[in-house]
Amino acid sequence: GQQLNQSPQSMFIQEGEDVSMNCTSSSIFNTWLWYKQDPGEGPVLLIALYKAGELTSNGRLTAQFGITRKDSFLNISASIPSDVGIYFCAGQKVFWVKAAGNKLTFGGGTRVLVKP
Amino acid sequence: GAGVSQSPSNKVTEKGKDVELRCDPISGHTALYWYRQSLGQGLEFLIYFQGNSAPDKSGLPSDRFSAERTGGSVSTLTIQRTQQEDSAVYLCASSRNRGWRGYTFGSGTRLTVV
Repeated sequence: GQQLNQSPQSMFIQEGEDVSMNCTSSSIFNTWLWYKQDPGEGPVLLIALYKAGELTSNGRLTAQFGITRKDSFLNISASIPSDVGIYFCAGQKVFWVKAAGNKLTFGGGTRVLVKP
Repeated sequence: GAGVSQSPSNKVTEKGKDVELRCDPISGHTALYWYRQSLGQGLEFLIYFQGNSAPDKSGLPSDRFSAERTGGSVSTLTIQRTQQEDSAVYLCASSRNRGWRGYTFGSGTRLTVV
């Protein structure tokens, strides 16, 4: 079953605001990934993190891989309307010796909506 | 192709019927994954193919679900005797090597069982 707890489940943004979401796990992952999904589309990779403590930016997005390897956060600065969508964290256990599939375990998603 | 292509994009079927969902991965990608996304939920792993190795079927929810990948390229996910709880979006993804830098998803097939 799902092992990643993602919060908040939903949030409202106003243009220009910074937003933050995070993901925690009961087990260790070697890689953390953040995806965004628009309606009717598959998830698109935003940021990948490979090392505990790593802080990585992609434009207005910043993500960190927690030191314990059990958590990660994603920040969006100066939000714009097209930031609306569902954001998923995903953890990956990478097995170098055997092709264990490197399947992703996903969080439940954070739905980002525009403040009415 | 340029992206992962899935067909059909939408499928409505009657309970008890069999369905086949198709995935055409990015050319040259050796790894192919199937995930299921139920309404308002995250993605649930179903099955993984890597080259000519035996697939990892550990995520298939029941023996009504099966998948094959012919010639290391196109994959078909088959659901036999569909049930209403099978209604979901079925997403396919592919990657180079073993996908350790994440992978590219298709737009999915929305399956509705009535």
